[in-house]
Amino acid sequence: EIVLTQSPGTLSLSPGERATLSCRADESVSSTSLAWYQQKPGQAPRLLIYDASTRATGIPDRFSGSGSGTDFTLTISRLEPEDFAVYFCQQYGSSVFGGGTKVEIK
Amino acid sequence: QITLKESGPTLVKPTQTLTLTCTFSGFSLSTNGVGVGWIRQPPGKALEWLALIYWDDDERYSPSLRSRLTITKDTSRNQVVLTMTNMDPVDTATYYCAHRPPYSNGRLFDTWGQGALVTVSS
Repeated sequence: EIVLTQSPGTLSLSPGERATLSCRADESVSSTSLAWYQQKPGQAPRLLIYDASTRATGIPDRFSGSGSGTDFTLTISRLEPEDFAVYFCQQYGSSVFGGGTKVEIK
Repeated sequence: QITLKESGPTLVKPTQTLTLTCTFSGFSLSTNGVGVGWIRQPPGKALEWLALIYWDDDERYSPSLRSRLTITKDTSRNQVVLTMTNMDPVDTATYYCAHRPPYSNGRLFDTWGQGALVTVSS
């Protein structure tokens, strides 16, 4: 089973800053099966990115995804107050989730 | 607009069987490519996929939990039911159901229910 490792565990940033989140797989995965979700406290996850780089419906363009093989990245170009949350990656071929990265206000 | 909502007991005893129902609207489970899955999240921890049922009755299960899980659908009632046997305190989690879109090539979930917290305790 594929293992997804997200780093860092916590990212402390200020509004307006750029956030770069990493998701690393222990074996090569198809870029057409890598997704990113956002989860706020007490809420269900929200799909942000699928196929590694395609934004889901209604997702602002400050969110972007990239990567291939074993290394994938979610970038938030300028953090808005509502972006402080936990982010999970998922390899949806086998439906494995990463452990999450918390983006907190510095 | 697609919506999903989980319902079921909030508390179950160890060894009991958990039955959760997902009631959805805004799509049909008879549409080619559509699926409904279940995912859980222990408090403060990561997400774990459990099961998925497709429009064509194909069922998929997490390998580690396969022996304990059953997923069924009632297309006419727009419901999907998950049963998990032999519940243990480590199964305490929020259980989500979610929509698998027809454009997905795997177990991608584009819309989630609000979740149902299930506590396992005697």
